Amino acid sequence: KNEVEQSPQNLTAQEGEFITINCSYSVGISALHWLQQHPGGGIVSLFMLSSGKKKHGRLIATINIQEKHSSLHITASHPRDSAVYICAGNTGNQFYFGTGTSLTVIP
Amino acid sequence: EPEVTQTPSHQVTQMGQEVILRCVPISNHLYFYWYRQILGQKVEFLVSFYNNEISEKSEIFDDQFSVERPDGSNFTLKIRSTKLEDSAMYFCASSLEYNSPLHFGNGTRLTVT
Repeated sequence: KNEVEQSPQNLTAQEGEFITINCSYSVGISALHWLQQHPGGGIVSLFMLSSGKKKHGRLIATINIQEKHSSLHITASHPRDSAVYICAGNTGNQFYFGTGTSLTVIP
Repeated sequence: EPEVTQTPSHQVTQMGQEVILRCVPISNHLYFYWYRQILGQKVEFLVSFYNNEISEKSEIFDDQFSVERPDGSNFTLKIRSTKLEDSAMYFCASSLEYNSPLHFGNGTRLTVT
């Protein structure tokens, strides 16, 4: 049973394309995190949100609490965006992770 | 910018041995976490720690595991008797307060032979 589901699992895009990664969760969460895992393995937090929408540069994250769904959008994608994007939700201090979306942006 | 540091970056140990993985969280952060990622699999939550005690733990975090904040700066994960299936990347993270962004260390790759 997966509390957090992501789609797609793998995504290949041409440079400049608009990208959307989806995350659905079945547990009640306090907050939803979008993380980026680089090819070397390091993890960086991109967003933490509990409602609405957040934007940082070319990245936008949205969440719909009623539908238990979040999306991560990347505008004007670039090869340096190639990474694994992970959605995670926390209930209290317990965390549930998605399996990640592996994004490859081709020049 | 302050960062979470983990040592060692790679640890090789024999089955049955005890290992201690070390983390120095960001100094003013109050919440500390350990996660693991078995090669090719998703990140899994192990434990969260706040106010010098375990706040939450997962089913993975059994009696073989323990955490400690021995001196106000280090945050350690101990595995008492390692098994082959403990081989994974272990990530430490900290956050300033409850429901605030996570800051991850670069991980310790544990290989149990």
